[in-house]
Amino acid sequence: GDSVTQMEGPVTLSEEAFLTINCTYTATGYPSLFWYVQYPGEGLQLLLKATKADDKGSNKGFEATYRKETTSFHLEKGSVQVSDSAVYFCALSPPTASGSRLTFGEGTQLTVNP
Amino acid sequence: DAGITQSPRYKITETGRQVTLMCHQTWSHSYMFWYRQDLGHGLRLIYYSAAADITDKGEVPDGYVVSRSKTENFPLTLESATRSQTSVYFCASTQTGVEAFFGQGTRLTVV
Repeated sequence: GDSVTQMEGPVTLSEEAFLTINCTYTATGYPSLFWYVQYPGEGLQLLLKATKADDKGSNKGFEATYRKETTSFHLEKGSVQVSDSAVYFCALSPPTASGSRLTFGEGTQLTVNP
Repeated sequence: DAGITQSPRYKITETGRQVTLMCHQTWSHSYMFWYRQDLGHGLRLIYYSAAADITDKGEVPDGYVVSRSKTENFPLTLESATRSQTSVYFCASTQTGVEAFFGQGTRLTVV
């Protein structure tokens, strides 16, 4: 079945550091790929998405590129801020399923210190 | 208020009791989902619904029951709560099949 694997956390960085959170997936065909973010005490919010190979999703300074050849969708940000502290989830939705039947990775806790 | 709301936000119940978690969305989205979030497991799909009166099992449905008599509501019932069902539960909805919108979650503790 479909699966998503994220790098183990937690991740602790200083403000303005470069961030990479690795995500790889297993799925048939061409799934849609997502990064969701969960701030403390809140539900998940869509951060960015890519629906086909080589697409780059971007939002709020975060980027991720859909790499079919390596089945990866790594999240990057050039300069993190304290306000980026949250849990980040990589997810996929299979191409044949309607309604976003999302499969999530385990989540990566990011803490950014001033 | 527009959006997706869950109630209660926090619930403590005893083993063996029945408990229902509520989910209401105002967008008339066709698809609704229940996930549970546990440390080390991410979010796992419990049940989902493609429309009113259409529901199907997800990855971890045992011990849970859902119904969807109206498009906007998707309650989740634990028929006889167990300690292993202590978790944070998230409801979500979508129409487009691309972006899902999540509620704020219900933190359930079974003692």
